Amino acid sequence: GENVEQHPSTLSVQEGDSAVIKCTYSDSASNYFPWYKQELGKRPQLIIDIRSNVGEKKDQRIAVTLNKTAKHFSLHITETQPEDSAVYFCAADSGAGSYQLTFGKGTKLSVIP
Amino acid sequence: GAGVSQSPSNKVTEKGKDVELRCDPISGHTALYWYRQSLGQGLEFLIYFQGNSAPDKSGLPSDRFSAERTGGSVSTLTIQRTQQEDSAVYLCASSLGRARDGYEQYFGPGTRLTVT
Repeated sequence: GENVEQHPSTLSVQEGDSAVIKCTYSDSASNYFPWYKQELGKRPQLIIDIRSNVGEKKDQRIAVTLNKTAKHFSLHITETQPEDSAVYFCAADSGAGSYQLTFGKGTKLSVIP
Repeated sequence: GAGVSQSPSNKVTEKGKDVELRCDPISGHTALYWYRQSLGQGLEFLIYFQGNSAPDKSGLPSDRFSAERTGGSVSTLTIQRTQQEDSAVYLCASSLGRARDGYEQYFGPGTRLTVT
């Protein structure tokens, strides 16, 4: 089955700096890669996703890049703000026919004012 | 509209007891998922239901775990003979279809289970 590795597990940045979180996956049949944000005590929420037919997607201060050949994808947050502090999870779908998402272990991002 | 709801929000139980956790998905969502979130761990897939198809139970960690979905709506996750390692937050999610087809998974607030 699919295996998703996520790095780093914790990340501290100064407000205004950029943050990058990286994930690798194992199943070459995966073609959908979402990112979820979970604020303390709250439920995970989808913030951005990418499909294998594109290499990059951007939404204001967040962007995701995908390298299907190397089986890795990354989340980039620019001009970080304190409200970006949360745990971020990457995920990959499990191939055709399945509804399953396999998640990474999460990255705790702290933005220092 | 109403989101995914779960009950109870917190559950403390003694080792060896059985527990039932409930999930009410968003109305009309045909797919329902259960995940487990342990401290420092990611979202561990447990099981999903899609319409009238047989559930995908491939993530259930042992035969002490089971789940059912009645009438294509409400789901119950049952853990028998609870162990301390079962302590975690159990999250439910629902969606209109497969994520790769563009359907987002919406999560509930979770049930925090503590086994003493």
